[in-house]
Amino acid sequence: DTEVTQTPKHLVMGMTNKKSLKCEQHMGHRAMYWYKQKAKKPPELMFVYSYEKLSINESVPSRFSPECPNSSLLNLHLHALQPEDSALYLCASSRTGINYGYTFGSGTRLTVV
Amino acid sequence: KQEVTQIPAALSVPEGENLVLNCSFTDSAIYNLQWFRQDPGKGLTSLLLIQSSQREQTSGRLNASLDKSSGRSTLYIAASQPGDSATYLCAVRYNAGNMLTFGGGTRLMVKP
Repeated sequence: DTEVTQTPKHLVMGMTNKKSLKCEQHMGHRAMYWYKQKAKKPPELMFVYSYEKLSINESVPSRFSPECPNSSLLNLHLHALQPEDSALYLCASSRTGINYGYTFGSGTRLTVV
Repeated sequence: KQEVTQIPAALSVPEGENLVLNCSFTDSAIYNLQWFRQDPGKGLTSLLLIQSSQREQTSGRLNASLDKSSGRSTLYIAASQPGDSATYLCAVRYNAGNMLTFGGGTRLMVKP
């Protein structure tokens, strides 16, 4: 298995809703990442998990809450989002050494109404 | 500040042309550089990964080169096809912090 699987592919949520994005990989990668991408912009790093521990939080608002319950699974819990949070959310994984590249998922297209 | 720049931002070519996409980075102390392809509304597909000790990598019609001293990488696409139309992103791993720095991308259109 050489893929990062993200679900759902599309999500529409109201500003008072609570939802979660899910990311799964079975490549044995111990580093996992959440990125946010706005239209026609490059991905922006949100969070990094290394060995299931949060190692980097790029000053992301608390309405985004990441969770890494095990080495294969990464969640992003969403609560009280704003319309400007609408974006493509990308999950990625990699081996933890510096010589390895990243594998990205296909993303979740989030629309906040 | 460690930055990555891609020029041009957009490129339109007729089918069959050989083309070069450019990526420049501000600090030569990199670990590796990765080229990605992104179709509209989709995720990133890794095309080539070049380690700092390497000069080039090839995969099919794609060839990526790396010149650390000048802070440049190029992605060469031979005999372009309409199916190559996509956004191409260059990403540099500058340090051991497990972080990629992305360029702004080049949107490529190959016309039949």
